Amino acid sequence: DAKTTQPNSMESNEEEPVHLPCNHSTISGTDYIHWYRQLPSQGPEYVIHGLTSNVNNRMASLAIAEDRKSSTLILHRATLRDAAVYYCILRESGYALNFGKGTSLLVTP
Amino acid sequence: DGGITQSPKYLFRKEGQNVTLSCEQNLNHDAMYWYRQDPGQGLRLIYYSQIVNDFQKGDIAEGYSVSREKKESFPLTVTSAQKNPTAFYLCASSIRDSMNTEAFFGQGTRLTVV
Repeated sequence: DAKTTQPNSMESNEEEPVHLPCNHSTISGTDYIHWYRQLPSQGPEYVIHGLTSNVNNRMASLAIAEDRKSSTLILHRATLRDAAVYYCILRESGYALNFGKGTSLLVTP
Repeated sequence: DGGITQSPKYLFRKEGQNVTLSCEQNLNHDAMYWYRQDPGQGLRLIYYSQIVNDFQKGDIAEGYSVSREKKESFPLTVTSAQKNPTAFYLCASSIRDSMNTEAFFGQGTRLTVV
């Protein structure tokens, strides 16, 4: 099944934008790109998803490369509450979400 | 208030005992999933079910069993055959075969073998 590659950790200052990268070079034409985040000792929560076009919602933006082999989750103004592990996942039909280790985001005041 | 509920939040088990973790959803989702998470690691798939009375093994099904008798419920039994059961267990649900929708997760059950 398809896999993604993310940096193990990233750091950001509060109120600054954060760009979390994800590589998915083996993505197929029908795979959706999903992002979830997990706060300590909690279940993951959905952040955003997309197929080909860039997407915006109240939490974040998703920028998808033209060849779809990479994407970037953008938090426009990081807050301390955004400190979490962020997972980039390719959603395939008929399969469960396949989680990697994600990127641990540290936000400093 | 729609959502997915896991209980209990914390569970202690003696070695050699079976224990069942509860997962209930009122989102009318066909698909349900169980994951295991160890400290500092991502989620690993134990079992998933796309429809009532049907389920498939995930990547780490050994030592676990499930049932899906009702759409709303997907209990997970951790058997004595599971050699290292201490972990954080997460249940999720989603619309079946829909890549364009999100999955919803419960708040997890932390199981400790004593």
